[in-house]
Amino acid sequence: GAVVSQHPSRVICKSGTSVKIECRSLDFQATTMFWYRQFPKQSLMLMATSNEGSKATYEQGVEKDKFLINHASLTLSTLTVTSAHPEDSSFYICSAIQTGLAASDTQYFGPGTRLTVL
Amino acid sequence: QKEVEQDPGPLSVPEGAIVSLNCTYSNSAFQYFMWYRQYSRKGPELLMYTYSSGNKEDGRFTAQVDKSSKYISLFIRDSQPSDSATYLCAMSAGAQKLVFGQGTRLTINP
Repeated sequence: GAVVSQHPSRVICKSGTSVKIECRSLDFQATTMFWYRQFPKQSLMLMATSNEGSKATYEQGVEKDKFLINHASLTLSTLTVTSAHPEDSSFYICSAIQTGLAASDTQYFGPGTRLTVL
Repeated sequence: QKEVEQDPGPLSVPEGAIVSLNCTYSNSAFQYFMWYRQYSRKGPELLMYTYSSGNKEDGRFTAQVDKSSKYISLFIRDSQPSDSATYLCAMSAGAQKLVFGQGTRLTINP
């Protein structure tokens, strides 16, 4: 149980294009999902918290107009990197918290999406 | 000073050894403590979850939390080559937002 998927697993795009990454909770409902970014040999940095049916909360220093987050259902959140540039190349990982679970801080992570911007 | 400090390693030990991984933290509000394992180019996988202080054991893995010292540990007994990965500690004050350590790269040599 508690499986989170991401699509695509890997994407290469040209500078200036937009890329959408999907995060799905496959066997549970997730009111809250999180988006992280991880650079090589570094830890996960939280970008934003996504709540179903409301606007995402972004961490300090993360541009909300560049990283658009939509959490339209209890099983799907999307991250769109708009006008991507080479410095946006990174490993993007989502996580989800199972709705109604007593241990509310248990986050289940997706497999990640490697974005390369040329 | 970072909220969570973790030695990035790398740490290399022979197969069968006991591995000790540690994190220290500065925020006394943290109550939930987790250890994640991350293989190269994969998402983190939850290994251990502990609330407040104490020990928790699951198979070859033991997690310890000492809130008085703001220090958490993960022990791996009878380590296997398949345990080679990066181990991330993470903690939360209960508002769901996790703060991660830098991660320790561990290699178990056959």
